[in-house]
Amino acid sequence: NAGVTQTPKFQVLKTGQSMTLQCAQDMNHNSMYWYRQDPGMGLRLIYYSASEGTTDKGEVPNGYNVSRLNKREFSLRLESAAPSQTSVYFCASRTGVGNTIYFGEGSWLTVV
Amino acid sequence: QQQVKQSPQSLIVQKGGISIINCAYENTAFDYFPWYQQFPGKGPALLIAIRPDVSEKKEGRFTISFNKSAKQFSLHIMDSQPGDSATYFCAASKGTGANNLFFGTGTRLTVIP
Repeated sequence: NAGVTQTPKFQVLKTGQSMTLQCAQDMNHNSMYWYRQDPGMGLRLIYYSASEGTTDKGEVPNGYNVSRLNKREFSLRLESAAPSQTSVYFCASRTGVGNTIYFGEGSWLTVV
Repeated sequence: QQQVKQSPQSLIVQKGGISIINCAYENTAFDYFPWYQQFPGKGPALLIAIRPDVSEKKEGRFTISFNKSAKQFSLHIMDSQPGDSATYFCAASKGTGANNLFFGTGTRLTVIP
């Protein structure tokens, strides 16, 4: 049981480049999330998808887009990367019942 | 504006000692208070959680103490072990939607042998 799987694990981008972070979960969860983690800032919600076919902005959505491809997959896209987007990105999912969020292992992104 | 304030930022404890991490919140509508544990290179994982209808919850060596009137809650790790060395995040939410889960800034705990 893999849980929440993110790819890539590490990525270096040049300013202005685009890329997509992929996320898949095999727990049949309805809700999926993208967070970013920065030193001294905790975890901040970028976008979430309460169910297949819906997406909503979180606390820090600027500069990002998302796609809920199907129930399993939720991708995060940076259209024009900026150094301020250097961060660790976590995908997460949640069952329809209760508040437990399950996180992936993270994607380390550096924008130079 | 930080919805949940966490302290200390870092903590060093001797093996066998008690680790205490504190969090405070302002929004009285919050009704779910989880703690997450994160090891280096890994994602956070739920450690223990409490709802405001109880003042304490214990799971093994980990205890959450909750003070509703003071709007504070804390994590106590009894008999701290080197394997407990990790970053701990408190969080709070209202309702059942995880879209409104607010995290503290984290505490890096180091337990020295």
